Amino acid sequence: GAVVSQHPSRVICKSGTSVKIECRSLDFQATTMFWYRQFPKKSLMLMATSNEGSKATYEQGVEKDKFLINHASLTLSTLTVTSAHPEDSSFYICSARRPLTSAEQYFGPGTRLTVT
Amino acid sequence: QKEVEQNSGPLSVPEGAIASLNCTYSDRGSQSFFWYRQYSGKSPELIMFIYSNGDKEDGRFTAQLNKASQYVSLLIRDSQPSDSATYLCAVIKAAGNKLTFGGGTRVLVKP
Repeated sequence: GAVVSQHPSRVICKSGTSVKIECRSLDFQATTMFWYRQFPKKSLMLMATSNEGSKATYEQGVEKDKFLINHASLTLSTLTVTSAHPEDSSFYICSARRPLTSAEQYFGPGTRLTVT
Repeated sequence: QKEVEQNSGPLSVPEGAIASLNCTYSDRGSQSFFWYRQYSGKSPELIMFIYSNGDKEDGRFTAQLNKASQYVSLLIRDSQPSDSATYLCAVIKAAGNKLTFGGGTRVLVKP
């Protein structure tokens, strides 16, 4: 399978601060990347679709001003959680979709965010 | 009705046996179907994808798709304790590129 990396793998921050998470597609150029959030014992919830060179598309109920997404290149998308609060503590996972005819998505290892 | 449904389990399987997982979906126009494995505390790992009706085999895994009945299944042959994980079924609906996940089936393979 393809390799997608995320950094950092774990982060603890204080309430009110901002945290940036990086997602890199190492095997292929990904015009589309996705950001998910997963709470304990729950399935993945899609937050937004990140499109290279254009604005991200957010799912209903996800605040775009709180979760800033930038897809500056074909191999890098970033998610910034602004003014983090304890309820933002979660497992954040990105995925990269193979371009052209393929529909497979490959997930990064995830970032565990804890807001104190 | 949920868009993608799976039995939450746990599905308990003796080592060496076949684990059979099922998934049903509501959007008849869905085009692409995926099975991911997720170990506790880790991110999902793609193990199978299938686009056409019928069976697709890869090692000990076989995915089966029946679009008329709107279900996709995963068989794990010769189950090993290392197969113990949550298996997520995911679907891409017609004219879309987003994965819609089921709730996952937890599989326990007992030695």
